[in-house]
Amino acid sequence: GAGVSQSPSNKVTEKGKDVELRCDPISGHTALYWYRQSLGQGLEFLIYFQGNSAPDKSGLPSDRFSAERTGGSVSTLTIQRTQQEDSAVYLCASSLGGATGNTIYFGEGSWLTVV
Amino acid sequence: LAKTTQPISMDSYEGQEVNITCSHNNIATNDYITWYQQFPSQGPRFIIQGYKTKVTNEVASLFIPADRKSSTLSLPRVSLSDTAVYYCLVGSQTGANNLFFGTGTRLTVIP
Repeated sequence: GAGVSQSPSNKVTEKGKDVELRCDPISGHTALYWYRQSLGQGLEFLIYFQGNSAPDKSGLPSDRFSAERTGGSVSTLTIQRTQQEDSAVYLCASSLGGATGNTIYFGEGSWLTVV
Repeated sequence: LAKTTQPISMDSYEGQEVNITCSHNNIATNDYITWYQQFPSQGPRFIIQGYKTKVTNEVASLFIPADRKSSTLSLPRVSLSDTAVYYCLVGSQTGANNLFFGTGTRLTVIP
């Protein structure tokens, strides 16, 4: 597609359930990012994939959060045993690669509500 | 980590020029400066990017002084639809934890 695609756009889940959020980056983009944004707050970095390199997981808030990227394209962010504080919009972004100056393009986000 | 500092909010009347300044005192040699716009319930949208001096595109200008420790996004003749949060991002793509989004500047355009 023309832009970064995320699904689902909205998800309501019960506390304690697991959720999976999907991201389709722009075709040809080797770098993929996940950010989290709570209501009225700035963007919080979660994880970064670049080509075949080991992902930068330094932003994941707990071991309940994990992400994978299959075939260097689609990525899935998994949140296990969801808590109410996990409620936020989860933004995926991609860029051409590791060179400096590459613009990051964002998807519209997956809005997660944990009840 | 190139942390950024921006004003939390700004108000402007329609038709005026708006300048939003971002401070990034510990910017690194490889870092670029990028500005994003975010409307409610949407992902951030790229506005402009620069490394030094001045960059201009169809929607904005970016002014970067020689020491690169700050940058100013200039929006000419703002309209109500420019009401949004504007983020200054400083970093290189060589490591994602270099890419720091601050809390942004909430611009409100008043009729």
